[in-house]
Amino acid sequence: DIQMTQSPFSLSASVGDRVTITCRASQGISNDLGWYQQKSGKAPKRLIYAASSLQSGVPSRFSGSGSGTEFTLTISSLQPEDFATYYCLQHNGYPRSFGQGTKLEIK
Amino acid sequence: EVQLVQSGAEVKKPGESLKISCRGSGFTFTNYWIGWVRQMPGKGLEWMGIIYPGDSDTTYSPSFKGQVTISADKSISTAYLQWSSLKASDTAMYYCARQTPFIGDFDSWGQGTLVTVSS
Repeated sequence: DIQMTQSPFSLSASVGDRVTITCRASQGISNDLGWYQQKSGKAPKRLIYAASSLQSGVPSRFSGSGSGTEFTLTISSLQPEDFATYYCLQHNGYPRSFGQGTKLEIK
Repeated sequence: EVQLVQSGAEVKKPGESLKISCRGSGFTFTNYWIGWVRQMPGKGLEWMGIIYPGDSDTTYSPSFKGQVTISADKSISTAYLQWSSLKASDTAMYYCARQTPFIGDFDSWGQGTLVTVSS
């Protein structure tokens, strides 16, 4: 099974900051990775698919990159509504697996 | 509009059985894989398994195989997650989600069903 290691576990940042979250796969997964945002008490929402494609309706300040085993989600200029928990999901094979999550908090 | 609507919150005792549901609308249910994801209180997302309602082909995570059963009734566009004997450790929020064809991740999610198991 493929393990996803996400870092950092938590992140404190200010409005306007640029932040980067990383996911590493235990083996190569091509570009079979998505990024999700989850706000408290809500279902996850897809932000990025196929490692770098922006989901329709998602602000362009969100971007994804990477291939193989290392992937990043970047938020170029944090907005108040971006404070949430973020997860990566590998979909290269079954079983799928999520990263442990990154909680983004206001500094 | 694509929608996945899940059944309501449940409170059960250890040892009881339970079946929760996820009804799809706004898309051809039999053409998409539908997955289930667990989120224990204060914890992350865990991929449990997935079903293709068109032919009921099912794949489970090893962590959940034998612990739950995933099924579907394509005539009413509904997927199910069931337990035969609940444990306190099954207390969690459970989400269903639609898997995107050709990409393979989840593009639409249900609102979640909270299952509480307590004596």
